[in-house]
Amino acid sequence: QKEVEQNSGPLSVPEGAIASLNCTYSDRGSQSFFWYRQYSGKSPELIMSIYSNGDKEDGRFTAQLNKASQYVSLLIRDSQPSDSATYLCAVSANRDDKIIFGKGTRLHILP
Amino acid sequence: DAGITQSPRHKVTETGTPVTLRCHQTENHRYMYWYRQDPGHGLRLIHYSYGVKDTDKGEVSDGYSVSRSKTEDFLLTLESATSSQTSVYFCAISDPRGQGNSPLHFGNGTRLTVT
Repeated sequence: QKEVEQNSGPLSVPEGAIASLNCTYSDRGSQSFFWYRQYSGKSPELIMSIYSNGDKEDGRFTAQLNKASQYVSLLIRDSQPSDSATYLCAVSANRDDKIIFGKGTRLHILP
Repeated sequence: DAGITQSPRHKVTETGTPVTLRCHQTENHRYMYWYRQDPGHGLRLIHYSYGVKDTDKGEVSDGYSVSRSKTEDFLLTLESATSSQTSVYFCAISDPRGQGNSPLHFGNGTRLTVT
């Protein structure tokens, strides 16, 4: 059974600080990794995709992947109240494999 | 929302009745998926399709069937709705390229209540 684990939170972070969200996965053959943001009552929206070990930056967001440790993280710099949401980690092994989601981490940015 | 329309957006139905949810996409993406999302369970895959008339089961497929007769439409049917199928249902599409899997793009969801 392939699993994706996230701390459910809530994770409370002061405005302007760095929020760090973590995700571990069980399938060592995983190749594709995604972070989604979901506001309450809304659908998930893609923030980042990452496929190679290391860091990938996009604006205030940085995804970090360590395949040896089976660990992927999302950093949000200069956190804003609008970043308050649930963040979903998703993983798949290859192109035609199903994408498995973690249960999400609730992030609360404190004004 | 990446050209994905789910209908209806909300539905209340009685136990034992059949229900069909529709997902329509204008992106010409080959892959389409149905997920349900419940508190404490996250997003769980019900059924998916890799092309017209090419469908397969996900992890929570019991009590559900799907059909895909056209690239743009993916229908999810609850043959005889039960209260345990009360949930928010999301359709998603993807357009795989290269070796890695491409990300999913989600519709706005359908909130189904079975009384």
